[in-house]
Amino acid sequence: QQQVKQSPQSLIVQKGGIPIINCAYENTAFDYFPWYQQFPGKGPALLIAIRPDVSEKKEGRFTISFNKSAKQFSLHIMDSQPGDSATYFCAARRWSGGYQKVTFGTGTKLQVIP
Amino acid sequence: DVKVTQSSRYLVKRTGEKVFLECVQDMDHENMFWYRQDPGLGLRLIYFSYDVKMKEKGDIPEGYSVSREKKERFSLILESASTNQTSMYLCASSLPTRKIGYTFGSGTRLTVV
Repeated sequence: QQQVKQSPQSLIVQKGGIPIINCAYENTAFDYFPWYQQFPGKGPALLIAIRPDVSEKKEGRFTISFNKSAKQFSLHIMDSQPGDSATYFCAARRWSGGYQKVTFGTGTKLQVIP
Repeated sequence: DVKVTQSSRYLVKRTGEKVFLECVQDMDHENMFWYRQDPGLGLRLIYFSYDVKMKEKGDIPEGYSVSREKKERFSLILESASTNQTSMYLCASSLPTRKIGYTFGSGTRLTVV
């Protein structure tokens, strides 16, 4: 119930391609869905986030698509660049006892080749 | 630039040793978290704290304890290190508002031999 399932585990695309990372959840109590980007040797950093009452959110080349009825959301990276090579984590937040709790997906290692 | 600083980048410890991982944040955040990151398992929450001297168990607290004596500092303690605790440990902090966004440290890669 608290899991966020993420796929694929790894992804290789050519520069300019559009990698898509998918996540699914079960718990309808989740109310906020962020994505984190992690470069080697660094901690994850917040990339973009969406609320379930919105079907799509864009920030620069990054787009989240959200399907509330299917309990699925995905990250698309337009015109991908080698500098986008990183590990991406989806996440979902719920509230418990007045405190927010975040569950992370298992991560997708993206490699963008020139 | 706001920061979460983890005291060690790499650590090698022996089985049975008591290990301290230190985390300090300079953002005056109330919330602090310890995660471990393992390939294929993502980030799993070990312990968290929403205030000084307050602590709550996360999803995988067994074999760990924490200490938060000051707002800016959150320590993870491995009471008796074991080889299955070899992992990347990440500390994070956040504000207690509805606005989400964790700030993570760069991690401590712990190897228990």
